[in-house]
Amino acid sequence: AQTVTQSQPEMSVQEAETVTLSCTYDTSESDYYLFWYKQPPSRQMILVIRQEAYKQQNATENRFSVNFQKAAKSFSLKISDSQLGDAAMYFCAYRSESSGDKLTFGTGTRLAVRP
Amino acid sequence: GAVVSQHPSRVICKSGTSVKIECRSLDFQATTMFWYRQFPKQSLMLMATSNEGSKATYEQGVEKDKFLINHASLTLSTLTVTSAHPEDSSFYICSARKREGVQGTQYFGPGTRLTVL
Repeated sequence: AQTVTQSQPEMSVQEAETVTLSCTYDTSESDYYLFWYKQPPSRQMILVIRQEAYKQQNATENRFSVNFQKAAKSFSLKISDSQLGDAAMYFCAYRSESSGDKLTFGTGTRLAVRP
Repeated sequence: GAVVSQHPSRVICKSGTSVKIECRSLDFQATTMFWYRQFPKQSLMLMATSNEGSKATYEQGVEKDKFLINHASLTLSTLTVTSAHPEDSSFYICSARKREGVQGTQYFGPGTRLTVL
């Protein structure tokens, strides 16, 4: 079974600084997708970024980028120029072809942004 | 866009009653919808997967007779919590996968907070 591990329950970053959230996963599949979702206090889950495993290039979305290390099964999220609105729970998620459409979530990292 | 709505956003009911939660994809057709449960300060736990026109597939440990799921159309899925008890109090979230679009991406509704007295 696939597992997703987020080893940082809480992180804190100064506004305008950069922070990296860690995620590792365990799988025997070669074709899969990885996601970072943000859950602010409103509880609405928002897709931040996605990465296809077959792509070597790291995905980027404005201030958000990932460091995808397939051999190490690592998928970290870097937030640059942190803003107060970035404060939220961040969940790493995994999906493979064999699991159908099911997402496997990590336990989440709560990010606080200090003004 | 890819907007998913849920109704109601909050519901309080008495023990023993049934509660229905609706999940709608507003601007796209969803081949598959998912229902999750989230306890405070915890991750999302998948309860079931529903495909339009077919029976839902429940995760291990989820009582299918208690959590009835109906995926009536490509834009609507409902979750009915039957004979609700206080232990069913939780935050329920649905998500939908686009019929056409980026493979594997799920779009989430805003969630429904259920409180059973």
